[in-house]
Amino acid sequence: DVKVTQSSRYLVKRTGEKVFLECVQDMDHENMFWYRQDPGLGLRLIYFSYDVKMKEKGDIPEGYSVSREKKERFSLILESASTNQTSMYLCASSSPDWRGEQYFGPGTRLTVT
Amino acid sequence: AQSVSQHNHHVILSEAASLELGCNYSYGGTVNLFWYVQYPGQHLQLLLKYFSGDPLVKGIKGFEAEFIKSKFSFNLRKPSVQWSDTAEYFCAVNARGAGNKLTFGGGTRVLVKP
Repeated sequence: DVKVTQSSRYLVKRTGEKVFLECVQDMDHENMFWYRQDPGLGLRLIYFSYDVKMKEKGDIPEGYSVSREKKERFSLILESASTNQTSMYLCASSSPDWRGEQYFGPGTRLTVT
Repeated sequence: AQSVSQHNHHVILSEAASLELGCNYSYGGTVNLFWYVQYPGQHLQLLLKYFSGDPLVKGIKGFEAEFIKSKFSFNLRKPSVQWSDTAEYFCAVNARGAGNKLTFGGGTRVLVKP
């Protein structure tokens, strides 16, 4: 069974703080993804990575950065958190097969006050 | 860039009723299609997928979906729902040639009343 874990289920941060969200997968997947989930908007891709130290912007990268130093770990960084970044953040991983099936973590609900 | 539309944001129905959720996508090329489900408090998980072949695909828990290429649609169906089908359902599209990127629809919240 594929397992994708995220460091926190709930997180409360103040405006301007630097925030790190961690994601770890145990299936040796090359691809990893960060999404945010908002009501009515579904999941929107923030960043993804096809390999260690490689990253590509998704649809809404502004205000975020990522780090992938090891294959199993993909971190999302909010350099200076703002209230409009309050959301549910989902991490996913997949094999490089073109079929696109992704496996998701439980999500981190981030509140920025 | 492709987009995915789920026309119903909220659906309320009684147990044993039939369910159909619409999904339309905009992309002219070949696609892989998915339905994911998120039960309350649980991970997003794959319900079913279509890559090629028979356009009627069956997934877990009695769900099925039909790919109609001419309509750019991939509607999800279940003949008789149960209270445990209460969840949020997401349609997603992977455009071949776009790597493993998925584009998701806005989701449909389904509430099944006992």
